[in-house]
Amino acid sequence: EAQVTQNPRYLITVTGKKLTVTCSQNMNHEYMSWYRQDPGLGLRQIYYSMNVEVTDKGDVPEGYKVSRKEKRNFPLILESPSPNQTSLYFCASSLEGAPGQETQYFGPGTRLLVL
Amino acid sequence: AQSVAQPEDQVNVAEGNPLTVKCTYSVSGNPYLFWYVQYPNRGLQFLLKYITGDNLVKGSYGFEAEFNKSQTSFHLKKPSALVSDSALYFCAVRDGSGTYKYIFGTGTRLKVLA
Repeated sequence: EAQVTQNPRYLITVTGKKLTVTCSQNMNHEYMSWYRQDPGLGLRQIYYSMNVEVTDKGDVPEGYKVSRKEKRNFPLILESPSPNQTSLYFCASSLEGAPGQETQYFGPGTRLLVL
Repeated sequence: AQSVAQPEDQVNVAEGNPLTVKCTYSVSGNPYLFWYVQYPNRGLQFLLKYITGDNLVKGSYGFEAEFNKSQTSFHLKKPSALVSDSALYFCAVRDGSGTYKYIFGTGTRLKVLA
């Protein structure tokens, strides 16, 4: 089944404790992206990647890191989480470089609480 | 800079009535426009998109949207609403001539009343 998977689905942590949220897709998509969803603010893009070793900032990259060492994986790293990073996070992927294939497929989300 | 506005936080409509969810956008180049839907406790699902061509775009579940370049709008419509259409709807834009950065709107909650 074609899908985007995220782990963990729920995470409670404390300020300053490094964490990684994994994202994996099995559709051979070049484009992958991370978003955060907050009430009243909608979805905001954190980082995106057009291919292996190619990443770029979205609208809200501060406090986050990403890496794209393999095509299928795009982990989101919070080196020193703070309470304002409490949010619902979504990973998405698409065949962005192929005309007509810009549809993004979203993962189920990761709910993060930073105390 | 790109931007998207969804002016209504919530839209209420009676079942069987037509529905409209509004979206306006701003990009410097060619707009790539999308609608996504989010059901409770789920990720987002693609509904439809406008990249080029016909201004009227038809999508999943009977939804359609009209690209209006002069009004910079991309309103989502459906002729007859169902209770099962109740969900959170997001409009999104990417500048087709520029980066691969996406901007999403703040979302509109659609409530279809039986």
